[in-house]
Amino acid sequence: EAGVVQSPRYKIIEKKQPVAFWCNPISGHNTLYWYRQNLGQGPELLIRYENEEAVDDSQLPKDRFSAERLKGVDSTLKIQPAELGDSAVYLCASSPPRQGRDTQYFGPGTRLTVL
Amino acid sequence: DQQVKQNSPSLSVQEGRISILNCDYTNSMFDYFLWYKKYPAEGPTFLISISSIKDKNEDGRFTVFLNKSAKHLSLHIVPSQPGDSAVYFCAASDTGANSKLTFGKGITLSVRP
Repeated sequence: EAGVVQSPRYKIIEKKQPVAFWCNPISGHNTLYWYRQNLGQGPELLIRYENEEAVDDSQLPKDRFSAERLKGVDSTLKIQPAELGDSAVYLCASSPPRQGRDTQYFGPGTRLTVL
Repeated sequence: DQQVKQNSPSLSVQEGRISILNCDYTNSMFDYFLWYKKYPAEGPTFLISISSIKDKNEDGRFTVFLNKSAKHLSLHIVPSQPGDSAVYFCAASDTGANSKLTFGKGITLSVRP
């Protein structure tokens, strides 16, 4: 079974530029999460989707961040414009319906560097 | 304010010995706890979990202990192996709607051959 796929793995941009990350969850997983992990910290949830619906986006900085999950499968996370403080690893995770509580399967992440 | 605390940033143990990784939490609403393991350049992988109705859960070399009164849990790895060297994250969630995982900062475990 293929795991959570993310691309790109690494991205370097200058501040004020836009950037987008893509995630393909494990097949059959209806819940999808985007996390941000700053250096030396644990992952912090940005947004959670149940199928196409964003059910928790309370931690998403909506002035510059946006996300979508069309057709309830793939998802993209966008930052526009990027700031220096956005440098972090962006992790996507998914979980299947009705299997254990909150067991989430993570992708390898996208390491973003904003110069 | 950190609701899940892993106060020791690193731990080094000899191969074959026991590794004990500690985690404290402050939110009394947390009722489900997980440990994730992370290798460099990879995402975290689920290791073991425990519900608040239990005080111990064991899976092979890994055992998690929960002390609710102290709001403390620990992960025991016995015997430790060099391949266990990684960053270990403690995470917690509650049963509320839109419950989410709250992670600690992680502990870097080094197992010396």
